[in-house]
Amino acid sequence: GQQLNQSPQSMFIQEGEDVSMNCTSSSIFNTWLWYKQDPGEGPVLLIALYKAGELTSNGRLTAQFGITRKDSFLNISASIPSDVGIYFCAGQLWNNNDMRFGAGTRLTVKP
Amino acid sequence: KAGVTQTPRYLIKTRGQQVTLSCSPISGHRSVSWYQQTPGQGLQFLFEYFSETQRNKGNFPGRFSGRQFSNSRSEMNVSTLELGDSALYLCASSSLGETQYFGPGTRLLVL
Repeated sequence: GQQLNQSPQSMFIQEGEDVSMNCTSSSIFNTWLWYKQDPGEGPVLLIALYKAGELTSNGRLTAQFGITRKDSFLNISASIPSDVGIYFCAGQLWNNNDMRFGAGTRLTVKP
Repeated sequence: KAGVTQTPRYLIKTRGQQVTLSCSPISGHRSVSWYQQTPGQGLQFLFEYFSETQRNKGNFPGRFSGRQFSNSRSEMNVSTLELGDSALYLCASSSLGETQYFGPGTRLLVL
């Protein structure tokens, strides 16, 4: 089962609002990743983080790799309707493709 | 570059049957990992293949097996299907130890 605690489980926001979600783990990971999954599709990589403390942006998305290497957050600014979906965090060790996933955050954006 | 492809996209089987799912990785990727996604357990790692060898294995029964061919394409087999095997099966490809990219998945329904 999952070893990552992802919160919140779901969010209902208005279009234009900012969103923040986070993931914590009892284990250290070398890489943190954030994926988005639309219904019936596979997860799509949004942001990958490789160093503790790293802050990375991808358009309206910003993610950070926690200093302790046990947590990460994802922010979405100025949300739009197409941001709707389930967002997953994932932790990975170097040279090990056994990724561990959070349970996901289901995001609903009201126009 | 073409993404990860999985076939078939949808499959209906009955209990006791077996099933084989196929995954073609992104060109140049030699590592293929398989995951099972269910509403109750979320995304769980099944196994990873690299250069035709299984490198890592998750906590699944022996009914779940896989293999990889010399062209890096991979197949996953589930024998003696159970109702609880109904899930979205995702394949992800990567260069060794690098970020994984997912395919669209095969949705398996066991009746």
